Amino acid sequence: DTGVSQDPRHKITKRGQNVTFRCDPISEHNRLYWYRQTLGQGPEFLTYFQNEAQLEKSRLLSDRFSAERPKGSFSTLEIQRTEQGDSAMYLCASSFSGTGRSGELFFGEGSRLTVL
Amino acid sequence: AQKITQTQPGMFVQEKEAVTLDCTYDTSDPSYGLFWYKQPSSGEMIFLIYQGSYDQQNATEGRYSLNFQKARKSANLVISASQLGDSAMYFCAMREHPRASGTYKYIFGTGTRLKVLA
Repeated sequence: DTGVSQDPRHKITKRGQNVTFRCDPISEHNRLYWYRQTLGQGPEFLTYFQNEAQLEKSRLLSDRFSAERPKGSFSTLEIQRTEQGDSAMYLCASSFSGTGRSGELFFGEGSRLTVL
Repeated sequence: AQKITQTQPGMFVQEKEAVTLDCTYDTSDPSYGLFWYKQPSSGEMIFLIYQGSYDQQNATEGRYSLNFQKARKSANLVISASQLGDSAMYFCAMREHPRASGTYKYIFGTGTRLKVLA
């Protein structure tokens, strides 16, 4: 297993366009997270999946944002009608809920979004 | 209310010296976990070390150790024998007891940028 992978790594789009990011977690991990990170800040929680169920969404996630995790495998994060304020690094992370482990998050390399 | 506080925006350390990065946290849950992550300029978050709230001993992982002072709600990261490759952003994070929704939420601090000098 090569870890958490995210695609695309970089996306430049014009304001008002829709963008979609994909995350492939580590295969045995049932928990999946999306975070947003802006320059000089720590990651901010966006949403959380346990298997295919989306259990929590942050208030940061406006109606323009939607995330899915069909079949509890990969996940997508879509941003509709992008705004310049959406420019950020979008990080995906996964973890394992088995006992005896610290449950640390394993992060992908992120998808950097630039909205012009 | 901010739950993870990292008061050092930037730190310098001489190569081969030890450095301590500060982290304080706030929670009312008796069960929680504390983590440190490293983020090099490449952007990927790398897990360094974990401390559980019920762990009796401070966690250690190679050159990394966590100075856990539960009563003071602090979880400082100590890096011994600093190397040039340690230059990066360092984030402290906390995982609280699952919420009513079943979510295991991880909250991050604002980070400390460490520069190791040759």
